Amino acid sequence: GNSVTQMEGPVTLSEEAFLTINCTYTATGYPSLFWYVQYPGEGLQLLLKATKADDKGSNKGFEATYRKETTSFHLEKGSVQVSDSAVYFCALSDPLGGRRALTFGSGTRLQVQP
Amino acid sequence: DAGVIQSPRHEVTEMGQEVTLRCKPISGHDYLFWYRQTMMRGLELLIYFNNNVPIDDSGMPEDRFSAKMPNASFSTLKIQPSEPRDSAVYFCASSYRGNEAFFGQGTRLTVV
Repeated sequence: GNSVTQMEGPVTLSEEAFLTINCTYTATGYPSLFWYVQYPGEGLQLLLKATKADDKGSNKGFEATYRKETTSFHLEKGSVQVSDSAVYFCALSDPLGGRRALTFGSGTRLQVQP
Repeated sequence: DAGVIQSPRHEVTEMGQEVTLRCKPISGHDYLFWYRQTMMRGLELLIYFNNNVPIDDSGMPEDRFSAKMPNASFSTLKIQPSEPRDSAVYFCASSYRGNEAFFGQGTRLTVV
């Protein structure tokens, strides 16, 4: 079946530090990959996505590249801000494998200190 | 569009009572998903619909849980009878053709 594995949190960084959150996946078909962000007390918001191998998704300074050879979709940002503090979820959908619902990782909490 | 709308935002109920959570998906979306979020189990898919038809309900915990989608603009998740272990945040999400899902703000359910 499909699964997503994320690095354990929390990740604590100082403002302007470089961020990497690792994500690897297992899928039977050709999945689309997503990063979602959840701020306290809110629902999940789509941060970025990639639908095929070597695609790079980007938004608000965050980037992730779909690496089929390593089955990875690591999230990166060059300079984090306090406002980036949130929980980040990696997810996949596998429409061609018959799975249109998102499968989520366990989430990684990011804390950015001033 | 106002996005996915869930109600109520918070619900506190006593064990044994019936609870109904409501969701209005984004207009034009043909997929609707119900997820549950807890600290212990993370985000779990409960059920999803395509064009108002339930496609996969394998995540529904037990017969106490039921979900309906009588039309394209409304869905309910019902728990009867509720138990303390049902306490969680319940999210509804919708998507078009199974692409990225858009989530509601969630309903925080507390069963005492």
